[in-house]
Amino acid sequence: KQEVTQIPAALSVPEGENLVLNCSFTDSAIYNLQWFRQDPGKGLTSLLLIQSSQREQTSGRLNASLDKSSGRSTLYIAASQPGDSATYLCAVAPFYNQGGKLIFGQGTELSVKP
Amino acid sequence: NAGVTQTPKFRILKIGQSMTLQCTQDMNHNYMYWYRQDPGMGLKLIYYSVGAGITDKGEVPNGYNVSRSTTEDFPLRLELAAPSQTSVYFCASRTGAEETQYFGPGTRLLVL
Repeated sequence: KQEVTQIPAALSVPEGENLVLNCSFTDSAIYNLQWFRQDPGKGLTSLLLIQSSQREQTSGRLNASLDKSSGRSTLYIAASQPGDSATYLCAVAPFYNQGGKLIFGQGTELSVKP
Repeated sequence: NAGVTQTPKFRILKIGQSMTLQCTQDMNHNYMYWYRQDPGMGLKLIYYSVGAGITDKGEVPNGYNVSRSTTEDFPLRLELAAPSQTSVYFCASRTGAEETQYFGPGTRLLVL
């Protein structure tokens, strides 16, 4: 059974710092891996999607990498800003996956201090 | 486009009551999903639908029912509410070709 884990559960950094969020998964047979942002009391917003054949994806100050063989993904945030404060969730779509279902990690709550 | 809308935003139910959580999307997406998120946890899939008239169970379907009579609407029915169903419920949708899911703002449900 696929399990997704995110460590740490919470992270606090000063503004301007570069940081890495971690995501690990137990079964390497995935179709894609997705990173989402969740603001308090709000829904999820998609940040990056990495197909299983890709190694990384970039969007602005965000860079997500994927290493299927080791069951790991990282989300790199450059030059962090207070507006980056949110909970970041990763999710995997299992390879044999009817309906595009996602399995989520529990999230990392990021706080960027001015 | 309004995207994915959910009603109500917040509801308190008594044990044993029933209710329907509404979800509507105006993007003509075929795929729709219901998730629940417990405090400090990730999202767990309750039910999903790949098109009107087609629904299937997710990871945690017990205590819930769904229907999909139109492309736009995907209501989630709670029968005989229990305290274990206290959670935040999210609806999401996507096209068949694009894998990114678009989420609604959520419904916070408290069962007392």
